[in-house]
Amino acid sequence: EDKVVQSPLSLVVHEGDTVTLNCSYEVTNFRSLLWYKQEKKAPTFLFMLTSSGIEKKSGRLSSILDKKELFSILNITATQTGDSAVYLCAVSSNTGKLIFGQGTTLQVKP
Amino acid sequence: NAGVTQTPKFRVLKTGQSMTLLCAQDMNHEYMYWYRQDPGMGLRLIHYSVGEGTTAKGEVPDGYNVSRLKKQNFLLGLESAAPSQTSVYFCASKTGTGNQPQHFGDGTRLSIL
Repeated sequence: EDKVVQSPLSLVVHEGDTVTLNCSYEVTNFRSLLWYKQEKKAPTFLFMLTSSGIEKKSGRLSSILDKKELFSILNITATQTGDSAVYLCAVSSNTGKLIFGQGTTLQVKP
Repeated sequence: NAGVTQTPKFRVLKTGQSMTLLCAQDMNHEYMYWYRQDPGMGLRLIHYSVGEGTTAKGEVPDGYNVSRLKKQNFLLGLESAAPSQTSVYFCASKTGTGNQPQHFGDGTRLSIL
């Protein structure tokens, strides 16, 4: 059975800290891994990774995929209170469907 | 640019009542999806559609039906609501070409009493 597991499930840090969120997966016919940020409403797209070892970066956020070990990490440096959200990891198979992890709830305190 | 629009945003139903959730997208996307999100369980796929007139079951389809009569709309129906269907429902869409991300609506919070 396909599954995606995220860790930790929740995390509390202070502004300026660096955090690392983890996502491991077992999915047949892997096509890509996606990270989404969810505040109060719709999940918003952050990154899509398809190849191993290539880092995707946007400002203070970066992510990397290891297709051999079947995991990805999302790093956030110099965290701000606006980074507080649920971060969702999802894996796409060649059917186009997404399998989501449980999400990591990040709280950044001032 | 509206993107993906879900109606209604909130609804309270009594057990046994029926209702339909509407998802509309203005991006000319071929693929559309319905998910439910429950605490500690992430998003789970209910039904999806790869084009107008087609639908398929996802991970948790029981108790739900869908229809895609027009390319821009994807309807999710509950024929006889049960308390276990209390959840937040998200619709998403994506283009059918290339490896592109899904875009989500703001969700519908549904409570079944």
